Amino acid sequence: QKEVEQDPGPLSVPEGAIVSLNCTYSNSAFQYFMWYRQYSRKGPELLMYTYSSGNKEDGRFTAQVDKSSKYISLFIRDSQPSDSATYLCAMSAGTSYDKVIFGPGTSLSVIP
Amino acid sequence: GAVVSQHPSRVICKSGTSVKIECRSLDFQATTMFWYRQFPKQSLMLMATSNEGSKATYEQGVEKDKFLINHASLTLSTLTVTSAHPEDSSFYICSARQRQNEKLFFGSGTQLSVL
Repeated sequence: QKEVEQDPGPLSVPEGAIVSLNCTYSNSAFQYFMWYRQYSRKGPELLMYTYSSGNKEDGRFTAQVDKSSKYISLFIRDSQPSDSATYLCAMSAGTSYDKVIFGPGTSLSVIP
Repeated sequence: GAVVSQHPSRVICKSGTSVKIECRSLDFQATTMFWYRQFPKQSLMLMATSNEGSKATYEQGVEKDKFLINHASLTLSTLTVTSAHPEDSSFYICSARQRQNEKLFFGSGTQLSVL
């Protein structure tokens, strides 16, 4: 079993739809959770950052963490064509020498 | 968010030459910097972890003599691809972890093409 699992897609939705992206993980020591957006041939951009369980909202983006189920989600409301990108979940246990583990990424296309 | 500057963004070189890529955290101190390689339509592949003032830790299968990493300060890490060959052609990305909250920020990437 991989440490972090993520459906690679591709996921295609119409403009304005609500998008749900998910990751599951196996390491119960993870406590920092992040979502990144990566456009083709660019470095990933940090979208959301959550410590421990709970929800966090930032504009059209909502991140949820359920540590009991080892499951994290990213919701995108009112999706736009400019949201078309690859979304990577990432997590770490949080000590300075820990690696950050990435999911393989989900490719999202928002169709106008 | 914090800014990580990576240069150059694109480099084309002849086989056998060495190429240096710089990664700087511009407005924060980074406890750790990471170097990744990414092939088209694939996820990030961690190559090495670099801590300031100590030797880099390389992932299995990554040749440390080929990919030299120097982490001279809390804001600068460099990756040197020595004696580059066409199979080293790839997209290389660095990231820096912010000291106070463990957030990870990425550079814009370097597309290396070895002829």
